[in-house]
Amino acid sequence: SQQGEEDPQALSIQEGENATMNCSYKTSINNLQWYRQNSGRGLVHLILIRSNEREKHSGRLRVTLDTSKKSSSLLITASRAADTASYFCATEITSGTYKYIFGTGTRLKVLA
Amino acid sequence: GAVVSQHPSWVICKSGTSVKIECRSLDFQATTMFWYRQFPKQSLMLMATSNEGSKATYEQGVEKDKFLINHASLTLSTLTVTSAHPEDSSFYICSAPDSDYGYTFGSGTRLTVV
Repeated sequence: SQQGEEDPQALSIQEGENATMNCSYKTSINNLQWYRQNSGRGLVHLILIRSNEREKHSGRLRVTLDTSKKSSSLLITASRAADTASYFCATEITSGTYKYIFGTGTRLKVLA
Repeated sequence: GAVVSQHPSWVICKSGTSVKIECRSLDFQATTMFWYRQFPKQSLMLMATSNEGSKATYEQGVEKDKFLINHASLTLSTLTVTSAHPEDSSFYICSAPDSDYGYTFGSGTRLTVV
């Protein structure tokens, strides 16, 4: 079953703009990860945020986690055409199992 | 960093035949391997968890006899799609825990059954 719901399902922005994607999940988590997938390819790990963390940064990426609302957001600043991809959140629902359940994904298109 | 090598990258097979997908952990030991599948424009759905030396654990709704998983060594797990049909056409991805992120993915296999 799907643990995470992401919105929007699709997002189209101009190069240079910021892109924000949201992920909501249903059960308690140990940590949450964000991944990128270019069309028809494997997954690229972007960032991991643990349940006791509220915010993390990595380059142009900013991830927040609100465990009380069971939600996370991924912000990509100053987007580039190369950021065009699908973005997924994945939650580890039981500590130490490394069993992750993926969200529905957001398809981001950055227009040059 | 840790690498999981997945082969083949893509495969086209005739309906009724079987296809084997391999995932190897190259520089670490993977006692556990997760297998996912992804339909076009959809998310990844966990199919099963394989454990070295024991039987795989399948998620609800996944046919064990259809998707045979073998994890015979600490570096190799295989998924065999038996008697493949067009509805099995999908993107299959493996992943394994590692010491850095806790989770490394293979590059995926695109299966097309004709």
